[in-house]
Amino acid sequence: QSVLTQPPSASGTPGQTITISCSGSSSNIGGNTVEWYQQFPGTAPKLLIYGDGGRPSGVPDRFSGSKSGTSASLAISGLQSEDEADYYCAAWDTSLSGPEFGGGTKVTVL
Amino acid sequence: QITLKESGPTLVKPTQTLTLTCTFSGFSLSTNGVGVAWIRQPPGKALERLALIYWNDDKRYRPSLKSRLSITKDTSKNQVVLTVTNMDPVDTGTYYCARRNYDTSTFDYWGQGTLVTVSS
Repeated sequence: QSVLTQPPSASGTPGQTITISCSGSSSNIGGNTVEWYQQFPGTAPKLLIYGDGGRPSGVPDRFSGSKSGTSASLAISGLQSEDEADYYCAAWDTSLSGPEFGGGTKVTVL
Repeated sequence: QITLKESGPTLVKPTQTLTLTCTFSGFSLSTNGVGVAWIRQPPGKALERLALIYWNDDKRYRPSLKSRLSITKDTSKNQVVLTVTNMDPVDTGTYYCARRNYDTSTFDYWGQGTLVTVSS
């Protein structure tokens, strides 16, 4: 059971904007930055968002991250079929003395 | 170009010890702010951080597995080794190594992963 809670699934039609939530506590999201990773089936995760809302070079600006208190969100605007993947939030957890992942959210493009 | 690659057995028996090696290039584990972690993913399940070692030999283990894990680094060989004792079928999954960037607090580069099955 992860200390970061994500909905198991999210879906939308092409062009829509969807939001994935990540809920934590003061020992993780509330006191440290949030990361987001994208994972396609059978492949390694890829860094999508860092520092709550920063985007590494090459990540489309359709992906955006935000944080408020002990919760964070990943928004995907202009949803495309190629965005179908699993998305994981992560944050350093002071109590667990290391980075922790959320349970993951499977995004489906209808 | 930064790359990481995992190597080790694909099949281990219950109670055996698993030893995995992460061989990397394009960075040094003696550089300030750099770490390497082992992360596993059971089939169809979420990512789970196991262990992390930093340039200064600071080690962070998953508390619930700490008694079974050991992570070491060989800076001269650009390798990080993870050992997991007393393997159980629930330890089956894909094991990834990833670079931890202390400054951005991210896993910015990942290996391709290696599937380890625990079965008699």
